[in-house]
Amino acid sequence: GENVEQHPSTLSVQEGDSAVIKCTYSDSASNYFPWYKQELGKRPQLIIDIRSNVGEKKDQRIAVTLNKTAKHFSLHITETQPEDSAVYFCAAQMEYGNKLVFGAGTILRVKS
Amino acid sequence: EAGVVQSPRYKIIEKKQPVAFWCNPISGHNTLYWYRQNLGQGPELLIRYENEEAVDDSQLPKDRFSAERLKGVDSTLKIQPAELGDSAVYLCASSLDGRPPSYNEQFFGPGTRLTVL
Repeated sequence: GENVEQHPSTLSVQEGDSAVIKCTYSDSASNYFPWYKQELGKRPQLIIDIRSNVGEKKDQRIAVTLNKTAKHFSLHITETQPEDSAVYFCAAQMEYGNKLVFGAGTILRVKS
Repeated sequence: EAGVVQSPRYKIIEKKQPVAFWCNPISGHNTLYWYRQNLGQGPELLIRYENEEAVDDSQLPKDRFSAERLKGVDSTLKIQPAELGDSAVYLCASSLDGRPPSYNEQFFGPGTRLTVL
């Protein structure tokens, strides 16, 4: 089955700096890759997603890149703000089955 | 529009006791998911429903866990008897249509934090 690895497990950055979180997946049949943000004690919320026919997607300060050959994808947050502090989860979904497999999460701390 | 609703938000029980969680998905969402999230980990799928049919329950520990989605709307997840290792957050999520190929966003509820003593 699918396995998703996520790095780093914790990341501290200064406000205004960029943050990058990386994930690798094992099943080449996976073709949908969402990123969720989970604040302490709250529900996971989708912040951006990418499909396998696209190499990069941007939404304001957030971007995601996908390398299907290497089976890895990354989340990039620019001009980080204190409210970006949260746990970020990557996930991968195969075309058939609609099952999301999540990474273990990255705790992002933005220091002001 | 209300999001996914779950209750209770917190539950503390003794081991070997039964416990049940309830989920009301977003109106019109055909697909409902139950996930378990252990501390410091990502959510893991327990069971997925398409309307009232359980279409993926391969990760559900069937000796003690059961779930139902009567009438294809609300769902309950039950554990009987609970074990210490069942302590976790149980998340419910829903999406418009989970039938493959489908990339509909999954909307999560706030979760039920279960503590088994």
